[in-house]
Amino acid sequence: DTAVSQTPKYLVTQMGNDKSIKCEQNLGHDTMYWYKQDSKKFLKIMFSYNNKELIINETVPNRFSPKSPDKAHLNLHINSLELGDSAVYFCASSRGFLRGRFKETQYFGPGTRLLVL
Amino acid sequence: SQQGEEDPQALSIQEGENATMNCSYKTSINNLQWYRQNSGRGLVHLILIRSNEREKHSGRLRVTLDTSKKSSSLLITASRAADTASYFCATDAGGETGGFKTIFGAGTRLFVKA
Repeated sequence: DTAVSQTPKYLVTQMGNDKSIKCEQNLGHDTMYWYKQDSKKFLKIMFSYNNKELIINETVPNRFSPKSPDKAHLNLHINSLELGDSAVYFCASSRGFLRGRFKETQYFGPGTRLLVL
Repeated sequence: SQQGEEDPQALSIQEGENATMNCSYKTSINNLQWYRQNSGRGLVHLILIRSNEREKHSGRLRVTLDTSKKSSSLLITASRAADTASYFCATDAGGETGGFKTIFGAGTRLFVKA
């Protein structure tokens, strides 16, 4: 059983298109994240959601719009794709707060490899 | 700039040798985590060490934390070819929302030759 799943695994598209990446976790976690990993393997946080509420929006262009329909899902929609958006996008989740303490361990999805031509 | 920075950037060793990777960070932290990433895969959590801890073990992994020097090290003993991967340290950003913002270093690429 996959704990954190992402679809699609690969995405090749033209500049200017709009695309979505879906993420689902079956761990019962309250907190979900989106990360971008560039070609040099730098992993940078984009968004954090807790109980469907946006907590962190890390200076991401507003062409990127996350949506959390429920605690188990955090989707990422990208408008007007640009060449620089080419990267691997990782979704992750963590427990969130448990007995007043934040549980930091994150569980990552397999990544979505986005190539913008 | 990156909160956590690992060194070396790349490390190549023979199977059976020990591998040591270091991580330095800039601000105060609540905890520091180490993750592993196999090629083409997502990150996998290895170990978490809290700011009031100095050393932690998990199987062949040993992590140390020196908050006075703002540094941590990950030691993998008796390495195996299957340990070949990139290893990242991660810290939280601190503050009220710090737990929601984990900052990863650039990673150390470890290659273990059989």
